[in-house]
Amino acid sequence: DIQMTQSPSSLSASVGDSVTITCRASESIGTFLNWYQQKFGKAPQLLIYAASNLQSGVPSRFSGSGSETDFTLTINGLQPEDFATYYCQQSYVTLATFGQGTKVEIK
Amino acid sequence: QLQLQESGSRLVKPSHTLSLTCAVSGGSVSSGAYSWSWIRQPPGKGLEWIGYIYHSGSTYYNPSLKSRVTISVDMSKNHFSLNLTSVTAADTAVYYCAREGYGDYDGVIETWGQGTLVTVSS
Repeated sequence: DIQMTQSPSSLSASVGDSVTITCRASESIGTFLNWYQQKFGKAPQLLIYAASNLQSGVPSRFSGSGSETDFTLTINGLQPEDFATYYCQQSYVTLATFGQGTKVEIK
Repeated sequence: QLQLQESGSRLVKPSHTLSLTCAVSGGSVSSGAYSWSWIRQPPGKGLEWIGYIYHSGSTYYNPSLKSRVTISVDMSKNHFSLNLTSVTAADTAVYYCAREGYGDYDGVIETWGQGTLVTVSS
């Protein structure tokens, strides 16, 4: 299995801050990397696919970058509705695997 | 707009079979080249991909669950289903059904159901 490791596991930030979440794959996955946002008690929602493509309807303050094994999700200008848990997922092989999640909390 | 809705047993006894169905509305399980997936999330934990059924009917399962999992599709009812046999407390989780895309969205979980909590307990 391809292991996905996110860092940090949690972070505290204020409204308006910029935050960066990192996801590392245990082997090269090209740009087959997707990001999801999960709010408490809700299903995850797709934010970014193929490392850097913003899903329709997702605010432009979200951006993704990276390739091969190292990827980042950046939120520029954190909004109250962005406090949630974020997961990366590789779709390079059929057996999809996820990072353990990064919880973004209010400072 | 595509919507997915899980239904089924919310409480399952140990060693019994967990059965869930995902009703698809706003789209068809037989259209396009989509894959129809199941994903689970134990309380307070991360996401685990269970498997999918392709629009052609072929399936792929997580090897860690393969011996216990069956995913099937009923095109006449426009739904797909999950059966997980010989369950234990470790199978307690929120179970999500989902649609995976194709082309630029290959392997991307683009639409999720709301999820249903299944508890394994006697």
